[in-house]
Amino acid sequence: QKEVEQNSGPLSVPEGAIASLNCTYSDRGSQSFFWYRQYSGKSPELIMSIYSNGDKEDGRFTAQLNKASQYVSLLIRDSQPSDSATYLCAVNNRGSTLGRLYFGRGTQLTVWP
Amino acid sequence: DGGITQSPKYLFRKEGQNVTLSCEQNLNHDAMYWYRQDPGQGLRLIYYSQIVNDFQKGDIAEGYSVSREKKESFPLTVTSAQKNPTAFYLCASNLRGNTEAFFGQGTRLTVV
Repeated sequence: QKEVEQNSGPLSVPEGAIASLNCTYSDRGSQSFFWYRQYSGKSPELIMSIYSNGDKEDGRFTAQLNKASQYVSLLIRDSQPSDSATYLCAVNNRGSTLGRLYFGRGTQLTVWP
Repeated sequence: DGGITQSPKYLFRKEGQNVTLSCEQNLNHDAMYWYRQDPGQGLRLIYYSQIVNDFQKGDIAEGYSVSREKKESFPLTVTSAQKNPTAFYLCASNLRGNTEAFFGQGTRLTVV
């Protein structure tokens, strides 16, 4: 059973639209959730972190967490071509004393002009 | 500037050679991690360390070794036992296991 699952995509949206990225996780004890953006050939860049149920907004990005349903999502409003990248969901497995992050395989997003 | 520095950016290894990838951070983070990424794939954890002089195997530790003699440094050695080492290697760190992790710029290793 995979710890963190994401739709691999690719997800394609027009410029100005809302892009919705989803992630589910298996460990109910997880408490820390992160979204990273990775451009081709580059390292992942942290864009959002969320620790409690509900929504967290930062500019055009909104992270949503629902622990009861074990999913976390990322909404990108007014999508721009520069948002085209792979988005990685990461979850801290609190069930492990080792406190490591588990990553999904990522969703590739393309925003076309 | 605080950050994580990986070197070299590109590395070429001959068959049967051991090579060491460097990772240094000046963020005063306790935890450090090594991940491997293959084309079109997610991140797979190789090794991680939560404190100096201690480290744990991740999901794909075979053929790799690490050390954590200083808080700032977590070098990764890719040994000749790793049969398919060509990949993008990423080092990351965070203050502790459940906080935000930050990545270095990566080392791209190629076997020639």
